Amino acid sequence: GIQVEQSPPDLILQEGANSTLRCNFSDSVNNLQWFHQNPWGQLINLFYIPSGTKQNGRLSATTVATERYSLLYISSSQTTDSGVYFCAVPAIQGAQKLVFGQGTRLTINP
Amino acid sequence: NAGVTQTPKFRVLKTGQSMTLLCAQDMNHEYMYWYRQDPGMGLRLIHYSVGEGTTAKGEVPDGYNVSRLKKQNFLLGLESAAPSQTSVYFCASSWWGEQFFGPGTRLTVL
Repeated sequence: GIQVEQSPPDLILQEGANSTLRCNFSDSVNNLQWFHQNPWGQLINLFYIPSGTKQNGRLSATTVATERYSLLYISSSQTTDSGVYFCAVPAIQGAQKLVFGQGTRLTINP
Repeated sequence: NAGVTQTPKFRVLKTGQSMTLLCAQDMNHEYMYWYRQDPGMGLRLIHYSVGEGTTAKGEVPDGYNVSRLKKQNFLLGLESAAPSQTSVYFCASSWWGEQFFGPGTRLTVL
């Protein structure tokens, strides 16, 4: 089945710093989602981004489907950005069920 | 519009006991899913449904059963709980593409 790898596994930054999180996947996909799991365990949808670039405030994401990766950018980090960031892709082309990466744990210190 | 809700939020079981987790969505989504999340890991798909009256196995289905008698509800059952089923359980729903997650149920099996 499709493999999803996220890097780095852990990232510790000071408030105000910028960061780039990467998601690599082993096969062609027709959609990709980024989630933020906050310290209370809640999964928050960030982006649904099969290809191209999207922006939402301080966050943006780019997916290059032909090269099988996606990047999540966080600018001017705030302590509330702390948590685990997951990317997820369909298990097989056209399927609805998702396969998740292991996540990147982001810690923003004040 | 409550989105995806899960009942209960927390539960402690003894080995061998049974229980049912309830997921409800008010977005008229066709697809529903049950995932489990273990410490330090991403989510893994247990079972899913592509419509009322249908169910299918995911990545880790053993020890669980599901039912989708109504479009808005998806039930996850544990017939004889085992300590290995201690986990956080997430329900999700989608129409096509983007999945939306409930708040999770934290289950401990002693």
